[in-house]
Amino acid sequence: DSGVTQTPKHLITATGQRVTLRCSPRSGDLSVYWYQQSLDQGLQFLIQYYNGEERAKGNILERFSAQQFPDLHSELNLSSLELGDSALYFCASSVGLSSGSYEQYFGPGTRLTVT
Amino acid sequence: DAKTTQPNSMESNEEEPVHLPCNHSTISGTDYIHWYRQLPSQGPEYVIHGLTSNVNNRMASLAIAEDRKSSTLILHRATLRDAAVYYCILSDIQGAQKLVFGQGTRLTINP
Repeated sequence: DSGVTQTPKHLITATGQRVTLRCSPRSGDLSVYWYQQSLDQGLQFLIQYYNGEERAKGNILERFSAQQFPDLHSELNLSSLELGDSALYFCASSVGLSSGSYEQYFGPGTRLTVT
Repeated sequence: DAKTTQPNSMESNEEEPVHLPCNHSTISGTDYIHWYRQLPSQGPEYVIHGLTSNVNNRMASLAIAEDRKSSTLILHRATLRDAAVYYCILSDIQGAQKLVFGQGTRLTINP
């Protein structure tokens, strides 16, 4: 158990809909990351937040948005869903941002199926 | 993002050591070398990381070449539970901490 929790575990929805994925980081971790894993694209970094502020953006579509709340939990919002958005979405957390390198702890993921 | 090259797959036997290679010839002086693994149906799991010196932890050892253009993850005594996809990733010490995953090496452990 990494200490990172994600809800829901599974989500099935229709094209055009909007969903929200939730992540609670490990206690004390200030950075949250979102990754998408699909069969054709592999694991891809989407976005990072540090203590409530957006820190880095990766291959995140404009239809997707995220935020980190004062209690440090994060939500990933996916809208106007397409079949190609079906994937595993992982949240990870790490201690911090300052110089050095920190291991990331991944949650169990949310499996999104768009029909 | 600096690129890493790993074999697509490797096979080993239970209770034997495993050496997983990674080439990163374009590594910069501020890049850390990370290893993560992903067991079936799970999220990625941190294994080890290092900058210049060899590193050991309870899971594995990381051997870094003197010129830092390659590294090797060493599992000293593989178990069936070590069957996973292993990713070698470079992450800039000064930049964002994002992980850029490649295809990784799929490790199969034979009983």
